Amino acid sequence: SAVISQKPSRDICQRGTSLTIQCQVDSQVTMMFWYRQQPGQSLTLIATANQGSEATYESGFVIDKFPISRPNLTFSTLTVSNMSPEDSSIYLCSAGLGGVDEQFFGPGTRLTVL
Amino acid sequence: GQQLNQSPQSMFIQEGEDVSMNCTSSSIFNTWLWYKQEPGEGPVLLIALYKAGELTSNGRLTAQFGITRKDSFLNISASIPSDVGIYFCAGTLGSSNTGKLIFGQGTTLQVKP
Repeated sequence: SAVISQKPSRDICQRGTSLTIQCQVDSQVTMMFWYRQQPGQSLTLIATANQGSEATYESGFVIDKFPISRPNLTFSTLTVSNMSPEDSSIYLCSAGLGGVDEQFFGPGTRLTVL
Repeated sequence: GQQLNQSPQSMFIQEGEDVSMNCTSSSIFNTWLWYKQEPGEGPVLLIALYKAGELTSNGRLTAQFGITRKDSFLNISASIPSDVGIYFCAGTLGSSNTGKLIFGQGTTLQVKP
């Protein structure tokens, strides 16, 4: 398994600003993913964070709105850009060890946009 | 997009009762995973299933990978108050090798002491 931490754990932001969320894994992992969980809903995959190359985004999510970095095998960031109240959600990162499909999740970042 | 249909949506049971929830899809899955999410936390992996027909236990939890590879169930025996939370099924599609997970809508479990 892997232990994953996220920063910040929560934030309240103003409309039009941007927030960068950090995800740190305690060991090198093959795969890292970013999810959004809207209030009372399930998890929706935003993108796969690829080490050394551009992230792979799911339908409905674009790089300009959710730029992602993954500079190495233990760290990734997700930025929520030009925020609006509709971006209020929990943002979760996960890590996969490769060879198996199990993913381990961070505690999430609770974002409120006013 | 691909959908996982998870049921029931919510359950309110008495402590000591057994619980059963399931996920179905019209698509074939390579992997079925069951997660539990408690308030303010990320999902925690409970059980992973990789073979059709596989039956796996983790303490009071038992899960099975359906023979058709299109469904899975999770049973919790002798429920206790700390079983409260949201249970999600998730899986990887048979046609995919990207490791991407598709999640069910979740089953909210409440246990009355």
